[in-house]
Amino acid sequence: DTAVSQTPKYLVTQMGNDKSIKCEQNLGHDTMYWYKQDSKKFLKIMFSYNNKELIINETVPNRFSPKSPDKAHLNLHINSLELGDSAVYFCASSRSGQGNTEAFFGQGTRLTVV
Amino acid sequence: AQKVTQAQTEISVVEKEDVTLDCVYETRDTTYYLFWYKQPPSGELVFLIRRNSFDEQNEISGRYSWNFQKSTSSFNFTITASQVVDSAVYFCALSSRGDNFNKFYFGSGTKLNVKP
Repeated sequence: DTAVSQTPKYLVTQMGNDKSIKCEQNLGHDTMYWYKQDSKKFLKIMFSYNNKELIINETVPNRFSPKSPDKAHLNLHINSLELGDSAVYFCASSRSGQGNTEAFFGQGTRLTVV
Repeated sequence: AQKVTQAQTEISVVEKEDVTLDCVYETRDTTYYLFWYKQPPSGELVFLIRRNSFDEQNEISGRYSWNFQKSTSSFNFTITASQVVDSAVYFCALSSRGDNFNKFYFGSGTKLNVKP
């Protein structure tokens, strides 16, 4: 059973399009995250949700809008895609937002904007 | 501000050699957690270990061992008798009370190449 699953794994799209990435966790965790990994492998947090409530919104353009319909799901919608949005996006979850538990990551979604 | 530095960008070793990956962190919080993750060529991020700031005991798990030293703000990772399957990018990460533990700060990663 996949603990944190995100779809799609690969996404190729044109500039200006709108796209969504879905994430689901079956671990019963309270906290979910979106991280972005750039071409140099640097991982940076974008959003953190705890029990469907937005906790962290790092300086992310408002073209990125996360949605958490329930605590097992955290989707990421991106409007008006730009070339610079090309990256690998990771969804993750942890038992609590207290940092004293590790985060489990999905397999990543490689987004390529052409 | 929290920061994690992995000064080694890339390391190459021959199979069966021991290798140490360095991690230096910065935080003003007295309560924090440190982590190591592995990212193999397939791309997923695999959790390896979590350590809290109050526990400086070193840990060994098979060929892996971790050395946590608060005096030098370091949390180094050693692989003994490396194998080709250890080839991956390894990330050190930090979370702290100052952020309510809601963020993981990652280092820039160390790419380990293990050659047969």
